[in-house]
Amino acid sequence: DIQMTQSPSSLSASVGDRVTITCRASQGISNYLAWYQQKPGKVPKLLIHSASTLQSGVPSRFSGSGSGTDFTLTISSLQPEDVATYYCQKYNSAPFTFGPGTKVDIK
Amino acid sequence: QVQLVESGGGVVQPGRSLRLSCAASGFTFSTYVMHWVRQAPGKGLEWVSVISYDGSNKNYADSVKGRFAISRDSSKNTVYLQMSSLGAEDTAIYYCAKDNTPSQSWQQAFDSWGQGTLVTVSS
Repeated sequence: DIQMTQSPSSLSASVGDRVTITCRASQGISNYLAWYQQKPGKVPKLLIHSASTLQSGVPSRFSGSGSGTDFTLTISSLQPEDVATYYCQKYNSAPFTFGPGTKVDIK
Repeated sequence: QVQLVESGGGVVQPGRSLRLSCAASGFTFSTYVMHWVRQAPGKGLEWVSVISYDGSNKNYADSVKGRFAISRDSSKNTVYLQMSSLGAEDTAIYYCAKDNTPSQSWQQAFDSWGQGTLVTVSS
């Protein structure tokens, strides 16, 4: 099975900072990559699918890029409401593995 | 609007069984692939199972294969997860989720999630 890794596992940044999270697949998955945001005590929310397509209603400060095995999620200007854990997920085929998550908080 | 409402969680003894339900509304249930995802306390997300739009295809995580069974009833707009031989490692919040767009394949992200139902396996 394809394994998903994320880095860093956690980060602390200031409001307004540019934040980048990396996700790597152990084998190529084309662009079948999604990013989810889970705020504390809340349900996961789809941010980006197809590696770079912003889900409807998601602020434009979020963006995704990559293809094959290496992907990134970027928050162009970190806001207090972005405090959350972010997960990548492969969905080219089962199993639909999630990455271990990256916890983002405000410095 | 899309609603997914899970039920059936609770405290269950090791080795026993439990059936979870997820009632769907606000979309054409019979055209969407559905999933179960779980999250152990303080841990990350773990995909559990998928069922095709018509129920003809199913798949499971290795961790639950042979113990869990997914099914759906389009007359009731409900997807189920029958769990057996439960162990402490199955303690988690169980979410149902739907694919982003209707499709005969399951190559979609998960755009809507229920609030989850907590399953606690303990003697």
